[in-house]
Amino acid sequence: GQQLNQSPQSMFIQEGEDVSMNCTSSSIFNTWLWYKQEPGEGPVLLIALYKAGELTSNGRLTAQFGITRKDSFLNISASIPSDVGIYFCAGQARSNDYKLSFGAGTTVTVRA
Amino acid sequence: NAGVMQNPRHLVRRRGQEARLRCSPMKGHSHVYWYRQLPEEGLKFMVYLQKENIIDESGMPKERFSAEFPKEGPSILRIQQVVRGDSAAYFCASSPMGSQGTEAFFGQGTRLTVV
Repeated sequence: GQQLNQSPQSMFIQEGEDVSMNCTSSSIFNTWLWYKQEPGEGPVLLIALYKAGELTSNGRLTAQFGITRKDSFLNISASIPSDVGIYFCAGQARSNDYKLSFGAGTTVTVRA
Repeated sequence: NAGVMQNPRHLVRRRGQEARLRCSPMKGHSHVYWYRQLPEEGLKFMVYLQKENIIDESGMPKERFSAEFPKEGPSILRIQQVVRGDSAAYFCASSPMGSQGTEAFFGQGTRLTVV
């Protein structure tokens, strides 16, 4: 599969802070996705992006599909304790490709 | 409306035994995907199946691993003669007919430990 580089690997944040993480690829993706995984659970889709330049929000989450189609970022505004978890980026290389390539994840821990 | 159901949630096997992981897709979904997650890594695609057909098994190890999705019943991921390196979380996802992989929903996973 394609290689996705996700950063940072982990972060400790203060409750109320804004958080940003990003994902880059050496090749073009047609679709970017952001998932959250909590301990012992499967990934849950947060945001899906389908067009270069697209900016999409889901509550306090905002994600953007980079213009080059090789990167994406996810912002979490005003962090709360339940934001704890591992956030994964994933991409689809072609619009009709069912396979997802995942980044290694960003572990978010919130200090109360 | 039940989501993707995987069982067992946890499975312990001794080296050399067989592991059978089951996945029941969401109601109305006919596409099933299996992914493997090693500790502190992202998910890696293994296989994509539709009812009675393996569409893409390019991510499956060539030996000891097999998958099926019969006309009736759950999808099964089978690992024969398990080794310590098979220890991982195995996730199943499903999507409806005609959809792309982005519309797939994941199950809670089966955590396999080989001792």
